[in-house]
Amino acid sequence: ETGVTQTPRHLVMGMTNKKSLKCEQHLGHNAMYWYKQSAKKPLELMFVYNFKEQTENNSVPSRFSPECPNSSHLFLHLHTLQPEDSALYLCASSPGIAYNEQFFGPGTRLTVL
Amino acid sequence: GQQVMQIPQYQHVQEGEDFTTYCNSSTTLSNIQWYKQRPGGHPVFLIQLVKSGEVKKQKRLTFQFGEAKKNSSLHITATQTTDVGTYFCAGHISNDYKLSFGAGTTVTVRA
Repeated sequence: ETGVTQTPRHLVMGMTNKKSLKCEQHLGHNAMYWYKQSAKKPLELMFVYNFKEQTENNSVPSRFSPECPNSSHLFLHLHTLQPEDSALYLCASSPGIAYNEQFFGPGTRLTVL
Repeated sequence: GQQVMQIPQYQHVQEGEDFTTYCNSSTTLSNIQWYKQRPGGHPVFLIQLVKSGEVKKQKRLTFQFGEAKKNSSLHITATQTTDVGTYFCAGHISNDYKLSFGAGTTVTVRA
């Protein structure tokens, strides 16, 4: 499946580093999402963008900063992360934000040392 | 707190046997979606149910949405090794566009 791509697939960073995760969808969707997936926990919704506008910031710490330059691209900028931020970060897209199935990218496996 | 609960958390199944995993919500859902995540993979959409009491089948998988639209089930018959993975249910709480995910049921299969 190549509908939603994410880079990098794996990332190891120190707590003082700055890095960015990239997501691109080729499905013509209008809504894009960032989720955090930690072991044995439900998927945690972080951010939602609809038509490039942020509609949800689910109490995410400011060390995570999203950017959505257009409906096809979504970034997650990372700065001064903590070891507990280590997780799989999944990007998803959907045609709209209401009651649509979501298409997930392969994820970025992030390890914070 | 978590609004969508899934049980069991783990399901160990003998190949060829049937099993059911359950999804329960504390509030009424507008719809229920099921996703499957293979080991090392990402969630992949399986199906969506919208109507009260709705039942849908995909080959050996049967999905059901409860009459009160607060619970759902996934029943797999004649389990195969290809069924290995984590099955997530997710639903939209009424009047909320955000999708609430359960913690998933992780299925392993004994050959």
